[in-house]
Amino acid sequence: GAVVSQHPSWVICKSGTSVKIECRSLDFQATTMFWYRQFPKQSLMLMATSNEGSKATYEQGVEKDKFLINHASLTLSTLTVTSAHPEDSSFYICSASPPGQGNTEAFFGQGTRLTVV
Amino acid sequence: AQSVTQPDIHITVSEGASLELRCNYSYGATPYLFWYVQSPGQGLQLLLKYFSGDTLVQGIKGFEAEFKRSQSSFNLRKPSVHWSDAAEYFCAVVPPGGSNYKLTFGKGTLLTVNP
Repeated sequence: GAVVSQHPSWVICKSGTSVKIECRSLDFQATTMFWYRQFPKQSLMLMATSNEGSKATYEQGVEKDKFLINHASLTLSTLTVTSAHPEDSSFYICSASPPGQGNTEAFFGQGTRLTVV
Repeated sequence: AQSVTQPDIHITVSEGASLELRCNYSYGATPYLFWYVQSPGQGLQLLLKYFSGDTLVQGIKGFEAEFKRSQSSFNLRKPSVHWSDAAEYFCAVVPPGGSNYKLTFGKGTLLTVNP
């Protein structure tokens, strides 16, 4: 299957700083990627749809100025958590799918554990 | 409201026992249906999916799921559980008319396997 890679796997940052998480499709091009957030012992909640070459589409209740998404190439989307606070601590996961295959599956990165101290 | 529900938050089974994890959906039409597994601190791995056709779907790792339209269900089963199956299991859907890749997840079922 297709491979999606996230970096870093985990990160600890100080409150007030920004942190960038990368999502790469290693063996295919992805015009669209998705960013999810998972709180401890809870389900994954879609945060936003990352669109190559255009603005991301955010889900209701997600602050676009706080969670900056850039999809500058067909293999890379980045999520930047700006001015991070402890409540932003969470598990962030991206997904992508190879284009042009009709009904197919989403491939997920391994996730990034963010801890804000 | 449209949703996907996993009624069981936590299930414990003995190794070798059979397993069934429940998933129900609430949409006007049949969505695309998926089961994912997540090991601690890891991403998600697709076990199986249903779009149409045969209602009994075979997946990886010995898992299968049966789509029942009358019950709006897509339950995951395994005849004999192994200790390595301990993980979190998520049922997910793509709502009718939605993007194939934009998933809505259930809250998950944590599976514990006793030796």
